[in-house]
Amino acid sequence: GAVVSQHPSWVICKSGTSVKIECRSLDFQATTMFWYRQFPKQSLMLMATSNEGSKATYEQGVEKDKFLINHASLTLSTLTVTSAHPEDSSFYICSARVLERDYGYTFGSGTRLTVV
Amino acid sequence: SQQGEEDPQALSIQEGENATMNCSYKTSINNLQWYRQNSGRGLVHLILIRSNEREKHSGRLRVTLDTSKKSSSLLITASRAADTASYFCATDGGYNKLIFGAGTRLAVHP
Repeated sequence: GAVVSQHPSWVICKSGTSVKIECRSLDFQATTMFWYRQFPKQSLMLMATSNEGSKATYEQGVEKDKFLINHASLTLSTLTVTSAHPEDSSFYICSARVLERDYGYTFGSGTRLTVV
Repeated sequence: SQQGEEDPQALSIQEGENATMNCSYKTSINNLQWYRQNSGRGLVHLILIRSNEREKHSGRLRVTLDTSKKSSSLLITASRAADTASYFCATDGGYNKLIFGAGTRLAVHP
């Protein structure tokens, strides 16, 4: 139980275009979702926390106008990378708070974004 | 934001040997969790230890927590080639978010 489905698993886009990544909670309602970014051989850096029906809270240094997060329903959160540049190439992972689970969080399988 | 450091950054051992990874963090926590990540994949939860616990076991895994030193260690006993992965500690400080350490890349050679 408490599965988060993340799509796409990989995407290649041209510089200047926008890319949307979706995370859906399949068998539970996710009131809180988290978005992480991971560069090669580095750790997961928290980008933002989104709560259903309200604006996302961004971590220091993360551009909110570049990384648009929408959490309009209890089962769907999206991250849109706007005007993507090669430096935005990274692995993006979503996570959801699961209060019923002992360790409290479940993770999507990640999206590998390559901007060319 | 990132909680702290993990050491070593990379560890290379032979099958059958034990692997020990350490994690330090900066703020107070409710619990500390360890995750595994195979290359380019998502995260697999391994074990959780609460702030009032000092040691926990799960199969070949042993985790310790020293809140006075703000540090934790993960021991994998009798390692296997399939244990090759990156290992991350993550702290839940009660602010409704999980913050990850820098990670240790473990390579287990047959």
